[in-house]
Amino acid sequence: TQLLEQSPQFLSIQEGENLTVYCNSSSVFSSLQWYRQEPGEGPVLLVTVVTGGEVKKLKRLTFQFGDARKDSSLHITAAQPGDTGLYLCAGESNYGQNFVFGPGTRLSVLP
Amino acid sequence: IAGITQAPTSQILAAGRRMTLRCTQDMRHNAMYWYRQDLGLGLRLIHYSNTAGTTGKGEVPDGYSVSRANTDDFPLTLASAVPSQTSVYFCASSDSFGGYNSPLHFGNGTRLTVT
Repeated sequence: TQLLEQSPQFLSIQEGENLTVYCNSSSVFSSLQWYRQEPGEGPVLLVTVVTGGEVKKLKRLTFQFGDARKDSSLHITAAQPGDTGLYLCAGESNYGQNFVFGPGTRLSVLP
Repeated sequence: IAGITQAPTSQILAAGRRMTLRCTQDMRHNAMYWYRQDLGLGLRLIHYSNTAGTTGKGEVPDGYSVSRANTDDFPLTLASAVPSQTSVYFCASSDSFGGYNSPLHFGNGTRLTVT
């Protein structure tokens, strides 16, 4: 079974600060996705990374896929209260399981 | 607005009772999924369906059953609920099963408490 770990589990920061959250595995994934989930709602896809070393930017969010396709990071610049939520990474399984989800990083951005 | 509708939004259920969680999508997606979300464990796949008429077991299928009589509906049934099935259940769909070109679209979940 392919497993994903995410760190930190919880993060509380002030508006305007920068932060990075991590998604790690001992397994190689074909691709990796990041989702954001707000309270009472389902996860919503933010980005998909496919190539080792790939970097994608979505406004103030920068996503990177590790060279070996075993890990990924999400960096947020100048965080805003609207960034608050649960950030989930999901790896595309090589064993027919579709996507395997990490436990998530719960981010709170205080005004 | 196109998307996935789940019902009920929340439910308190006595142990041993039977319960069906409903899921309907209007995006004409071929694949549908049921996940449960538990604190610290993330989303775990219960059952999935590649296309209407077919279903498959995910990571945690025991105690659950599904059916896919048509493209739009994918109900999840707990035949005899147990307290360990207390969780938030999410239904999702995608254009096809698997692959990064077919991202998951989620409903807003059903919060189930088994007492």
